[in-house]
Amino acid sequence: GEDVEQSLFLSVREGDSSVINCTYTDSSSTYLYWYKQEPGAGLQLLTYIFSNMDMKQDQRLTVLLNKKDKHLSLRIADTQTGDSAIYFCAGRGMDSSYKLIFGSGTRLLVRP
Amino acid sequence: EAGVAQSPRYKIIEKRQSVAFWCNPISGHATLYWYQQILGQGPKLLIQFQNNGVVDDSQLPKDRFSAERLKGVDSTLKIQPAKLEDSAVYLCASSLDGLAGAYEQYFGPGTRLTVT
Repeated sequence: GEDVEQSLFLSVREGDSSVINCTYTDSSSTYLYWYKQEPGAGLQLLTYIFSNMDMKQDQRLTVLLNKKDKHLSLRIADTQTGDSAIYFCAGRGMDSSYKLIFGSGTRLLVRP
Repeated sequence: EAGVAQSPRYKIIEKRQSVAFWCNPISGHATLYWYQQILGQGPKLLIQFQNNGVVDDSQLPKDRFSAERLKGVDSTLKIQPAKLEDSAVYLCASSLDGLAGAYEQYFGPGTRLTVT
Protein backbone atom coordinates (compact mmCIF):
# COMPACT_ATOMS: atom_id res chain seq x y z
CA GLY A 1 0.00 0.00 0.00
CA GLU A 2 0.86 3.66 -0.13
CA ASP A 3 3.35 5.07 2.35
CA VAL A 4 4.01 8.80 2.67
CA GLU A 5 6.97 10.27 4.55
CA GLN A 6 7.79 13.82 5.60
CA SER A 7 10.42 15.55 7.66
CA LEU A 8 9.14 16.48 11.10
CA PHE A 9 10.12 20.10 11.54
CA LEU A 10 11.12 23.23 9.62
CA SER A 11 11.99 26.66 10.98
CA VAL A 12 12.30 29.73 8.75
CA ARG A 13 12.52 33.46 9.20
CA GLU A 14 9.56 35.63 8.23
CA GLY A 15 9.85 36.75 4.61
CA ASP A 16 12.01 33.81 3.56
CA SER A 17 10.80 30.93 1.42
CA SER A 18 9.84 27.61 3.01
CA VAL A 19 10.22 24.27 1.27
CA ILE A 20 8.43 21.26 2.73
CA ASN A 21 9.31 17.87 1.28
CA CYS A 22 7.44 14.61 0.96
CA THR A 23 8.20 11.20 -0.51
CA TYR A 24 5.64 8.57 -1.44
CA THR A 25 5.82 4.95 -2.49
CA ASP A 26 2.80 4.33 -4.71
CA SER A 27 3.68 5.43 -8.22
CA SER A 28 0.05 4.91 -9.28
CA SER A 29 -1.20 7.73 -7.07
CA THR A 30 -3.18 10.00 -9.36
CA TYR A 31 -3.48 13.03 -7.12
CA LEU A 32 -1.14 14.37 -4.45
CA TYR A 33 -2.35 16.90 -1.92
CA TRP A 34 -1.07 19.42 0.57
CA TYR A 35 -3.16 20.17 3.67
CA LYS A 36 -2.55 22.70 6.44
CA GLN A 37 -3.59 22.14 10.06
CA GLU A 38 -3.57 24.94 12.60
CA PRO A 39 -3.78 24.19 16.35
CA GLY A 40 -7.18 22.86 17.37
CA ALA A 41 -8.51 22.95 13.84
CA GLY A 42 -9.28 20.48 11.11
CA LEU A 43 -7.31 20.14 7.92
CA GLN A 44 -7.52 22.79 5.23
CA LEU A 45 -6.82 21.84 1.63
CA LEU A 46 -4.10 24.12 0.25
CA THR A 47 -3.51 22.70 -3.18
CA TYR A 48 -3.20 19.49 -5.12
CA ILE A 49 -1.41 18.30 -8.21
CA PHE A 50 -2.37 15.69 -10.76
CA SER A 51 0.28 13.06 -11.40
CA ASN A 52 0.78 14.09 -15.05
CA MET A 53 1.95 17.56 -13.98
CA ASP A 54 5.43 18.59 -12.87
CA MET A 55 4.56 21.89 -11.29
CA LYS A 56 1.58 23.86 -10.10
CA GLN A 57 1.62 27.43 -8.85
CA ASP A 58 -1.11 29.09 -6.83
CA GLN A 59 -0.28 32.56 -5.51
CA ARG A 60 2.47 32.07 -2.90
CA LEU A 61 2.37 28.29 -3.20
CA THR A 62 4.39 26.22 -5.68
CA VAL A 63 4.11 22.46 -5.85
CA LEU A 64 6.83 20.46 -7.57
CA LEU A 65 6.41 16.79 -8.45
CA ASN A 66 9.29 14.51 -9.39
CA LYS A 67 7.61 11.29 -10.44
CA LYS A 68 10.85 9.46 -11.06
CA ASP A 69 12.00 9.98 -7.48
CA LYS A 70 8.43 9.95 -6.06
CA HIS A 71 9.16 13.28 -4.44
CA LEU A 72 6.72 16.11 -3.82
CA SER A 73 7.54 19.54 -2.43
CA LEU A 74 5.59 22.57 -1.35
CA ARG A 75 7.27 25.96 -1.56
CA ILE A 76 5.75 28.88 0.29
CA ALA A 77 7.10 32.23 -0.89
CA ASP A 78 7.39 35.19 1.48
CA THR A 79 6.51 33.05 4.50
CA GLN A 80 4.44 34.83 7.13
CA THR A 81 3.90 34.10 10.83
CA GLY A 82 0.35 33.04 9.93
CA ASP A 83 1.83 30.21 7.90
CA SER A 84 3.03 28.54 11.11
CA ALA A 85 1.14 25.24 11.20
CA ILE A 86 1.50 21.54 10.44
CA TYR A 87 1.56 20.66 6.76
CA PHE A 88 0.45 17.24 5.57
CA CYS A 89 1.21 15.62 2.28
CA ALA A 90 -1.31 13.02 1.10
CA GLY A 91 -1.55 10.63 -1.80
CA ARG A 92 -4.75 9.35 -3.29
CA GLY A 93 -4.77 5.57 -3.40
CA MET A 94 -5.94 3.58 -6.37
CA ASP A 95 -8.10 1.09 -4.49
CA SER A 96 -11.88 1.16 -4.80
CA SER A 97 -12.34 3.89 -2.20
CA TYR A 98 -9.62 6.25 -3.52
CA LYS A 99 -8.78 6.99 0.08
CA LEU A 100 -6.13 9.51 1.08
CA ILE A 101 -2.94 8.28 2.73
CA PHE A 102 -1.38 11.03 4.84
CA GLY A 103 2.18 11.60 5.92
CA SER A 104 2.91 12.34 9.56
CA GLY A 105 3.12 16.07 8.94
CA THR A 106 5.82 18.76 8.97
CA ARG A 107 5.61 21.40 11.64
CA LEU A 108 6.53 24.79 10.18
CA LEU A 109 7.64 27.49 12.58
CA VAL A 110 8.00 31.00 11.20
CA ARG A 111 10.23 33.25 13.31
CA PRO A 112 9.61 37.00 13.27
CA GLU B 1 -21.68 27.69 2.66
CA ALA B 2 -21.55 26.05 6.07
CA GLY B 3 -18.62 23.74 6.71
CA VAL B 4 -18.48 20.28 8.23
CA ALA B 5 -19.86 20.35 11.76
CA GLN B 6 -18.77 18.00 14.53
CA SER B 7 -19.75 17.57 18.15
CA PRO B 8 -18.66 17.41 20.83
CA ARG B 9 -15.35 19.22 20.42
CA TYR B 10 -13.82 17.56 23.48
CA LYS B 11 -14.61 14.41 25.42
CA ILE B 12 -12.92 12.80 28.40
CA ILE B 13 -13.97 9.29 29.40
CA GLU B 14 -12.59 6.40 31.40
CA LYS B 15 -11.45 3.22 29.74
CA ARG B 16 -14.18 0.68 29.11
CA GLN B 17 -16.80 3.45 28.81
CA SER B 18 -18.59 4.19 25.55
CA VAL B 19 -18.61 7.39 23.54
CA ALA B 20 -20.30 8.70 20.39
CA PHE B 21 -19.31 11.42 17.97
CA TRP B 22 -21.59 13.22 15.55
CA CYS B 23 -20.86 14.73 12.13
CA ASN B 24 -22.95 16.86 9.78
CA PRO B 25 -21.28 17.11 6.37
CA ILE B 26 -21.55 19.94 3.88
CA SER B 27 -25.01 19.96 2.32
CA GLY B 28 -25.15 17.89 -0.84
CA HIS B 29 -21.93 16.00 -0.24
CA ALA B 30 -22.35 12.33 -1.01
CA THR B 31 -19.10 11.06 0.50
CA LEU B 32 -18.36 11.17 4.22
CA TYR B 33 -15.15 10.09 5.94
CA TRP B 34 -14.15 9.44 9.53
CA TYR B 35 -10.45 9.71 10.34
CA GLN B 36 -8.48 9.01 13.50
CA GLN B 37 -5.52 11.32 14.15
CA ILE B 38 -3.22 10.22 16.94
CA LEU B 39 -0.94 12.90 18.35
CA GLY B 40 2.09 13.42 16.12
CA GLN B 41 0.65 11.42 13.22
CA GLY B 42 -1.32 12.10 10.10
CA PRO B 43 -5.01 11.22 9.87
CA LYS B 44 -5.85 7.59 9.22
CA LEU B 45 -9.10 6.68 7.48
CA LEU B 46 -11.44 4.63 9.63
CA ILE B 47 -14.51 4.45 7.42
CA GLN B 48 -15.83 5.99 4.22
CA PHE B 49 -19.49 6.27 3.28
CA GLN B 50 -20.97 6.93 -0.13
CA ASN B 51 -24.47 8.20 0.65
CA ASN B 52 -25.61 5.66 3.27
CA GLY B 53 -23.43 2.77 2.06
CA VAL B 54 -19.99 1.79 3.34
CA VAL B 55 -17.23 2.02 0.73
CA ASP B 56 -14.21 1.25 2.90
CA ASP B 57 -14.02 0.20 6.54
CA SER B 58 -10.87 -1.88 6.28
CA GLN B 59 -9.09 0.05 9.06
CA LEU B 60 -12.03 0.26 11.45
CA PRO B 61 -11.53 -1.87 14.60
CA LYS B 62 -14.91 -3.48 14.28
CA ASP B 63 -14.78 -5.19 17.66
CA ARG B 64 -15.19 -1.81 19.36
CA PHE B 65 -15.89 0.84 16.71
CA SER B 66 -19.10 1.28 14.75
CA ALA B 67 -20.41 3.98 12.46
CA GLU B 68 -23.61 4.69 10.64
CA ARG B 69 -25.02 7.15 8.17
CA LEU B 70 -28.62 6.07 8.06
CA LYS B 71 -30.19 8.75 5.87
CA GLY B 72 -27.11 9.55 3.83
CA VAL B 73 -26.54 12.85 5.63
CA ASP B 74 -25.44 12.94 9.29
CA SER B 75 -23.19 10.28 10.69
CA THR B 76 -22.26 8.96 14.11
CA LEU B 77 -19.11 7.12 15.16
CA LYS B 78 -19.23 5.06 18.34
CA ILE B 79 -16.55 3.42 20.46
CA GLN B 80 -17.58 0.76 22.94
CA PRO B 81 -15.67 -0.04 25.08
CA ALA B 82 -12.93 2.57 24.82
CA LYS B 83 -9.26 1.77 25.37
CA LEU B 84 -6.42 4.07 26.33
CA GLU B 85 -5.00 3.85 22.79
CA ASP B 86 -8.21 5.34 21.40
CA SER B 87 -7.12 8.76 22.68
CA ALA B 88 -6.94 10.83 19.50
CA VAL B 89 -8.68 13.49 17.47
CA TYR B 90 -11.54 12.11 15.39
CA LEU B 91 -11.98 14.06 12.20
CA CYS B 92 -14.97 13.99 9.91
CA ALA B 93 -14.65 15.07 6.29
CA SER B 94 -16.93 15.21 3.29
CA SER B 95 -16.59 15.54 -0.44
CA LEU B 96 -19.08 16.18 -3.20
CA ASP B 97 -18.58 12.72 -4.66
CA GLY B 98 -15.32 11.02 -3.74
CA LEU B 99 -15.84 8.16 -6.17
CA ALA B 100 -16.72 10.23 -9.22
CA GLY B 101 -13.83 12.66 -9.50
CA ALA B 102 -14.76 15.36 -7.01
CA TYR B 103 -11.97 14.45 -4.70
CA GLU B 104 -11.55 17.53 -2.55
CA GLN B 105 -12.21 16.65 1.06
CA TYR B 106 -13.42 19.29 3.51
CA PHE B 107 -12.64 18.64 7.15
CA GLY B 108 -14.50 19.48 10.31
CA PRO B 109 -12.69 20.80 13.43
CA GLY B 110 -12.53 17.35 15.01
CA THR B 111 -13.41 15.85 18.37
CA ARG B 112 -10.52 15.42 20.80
CA LEU B 113 -11.03 12.24 22.83
CA THR B 114 -9.04 11.54 25.97
CA VAL B 115 -9.39 8.09 27.53
CA THR B 116 -8.10 7.84 31.10
